[in-house]
Amino acid sequence: DAGVIQSPRHEVTEMGQEVTLRCKPISGHDYLFWYRQTMMRGLELLIYFNNNVPIDDSGMPEDRFSAKMPNASFSTLKIQPSEPRDSAVYFCASSLAIKKPGQANFGSGTRLTVV
Amino acid sequence: QKEVEQNSGPLSVPEGAIASLNCTYSDRGSQSFFWYRQYSGKSPELIMSIYSNGDKEDGRFTAQLNKASQYVSLLIRDSQPSDSATYLCAVITNTGNQFYFGTGTSLTVIP
Repeated sequence: DAGVIQSPRHEVTEMGQEVTLRCKPISGHDYLFWYRQTMMRGLELLIYFNNNVPIDDSGMPEDRFSAKMPNASFSTLKIQPSEPRDSAVYFCASSLAIKKPGQANFGSGTRLTVV
Repeated sequence: QKEVEQNSGPLSVPEGAIASLNCTYSDRGSQSFFWYRQYSGKSPELIMSIYSNGDKEDGRFTAQLNKASQYVSLLIRDSQPSDSATYLCAVITNTGNQFYFGTGTSLTVIP
């Protein structure tokens, strides 16, 4: 199993540009999470999906952020327009069941820098 | 109040000592608790999970849960330099069915 795959690994963009982060969860996992990690705020849950349906997006900071999961094997997190304060590492994670005594498997993350 | 709180550290211990990491949570109905380890520049990885009051041991790691006091801790015995990392506490809450992380505690094991 290749694990959770995120792309790109690094993204540098100018303020105002649109940024799209991509995630392929582990096959068979029915939960997908998007997190943002910064030194100041730690790991923050942005949104999570169950069976491709967004369940809770209360962590999405503002309307500039949107996430989609068109099918069980792909999700995107889009920021439009991007701002310098969006600079962070964005992680995607998937799990088999939110309460299962197992784990959320994390992707390697996308380090976003907005200049 | 944050759902999960941890002392950010940094915590430094000498090699061979016991490292103690603590975490408190706000949702009294929470049932599932996890400790993740994150090396610098890497993604978090699960090292322990605990669901019942008491201790759970796995090798050099012991997770301790006290639901009455709403805290969970991680003990690392015979600490090694390779244990140097940030340790994240995570909780699945009963309300909202969400998965929250603390901000992490940075641990340095000094050879």
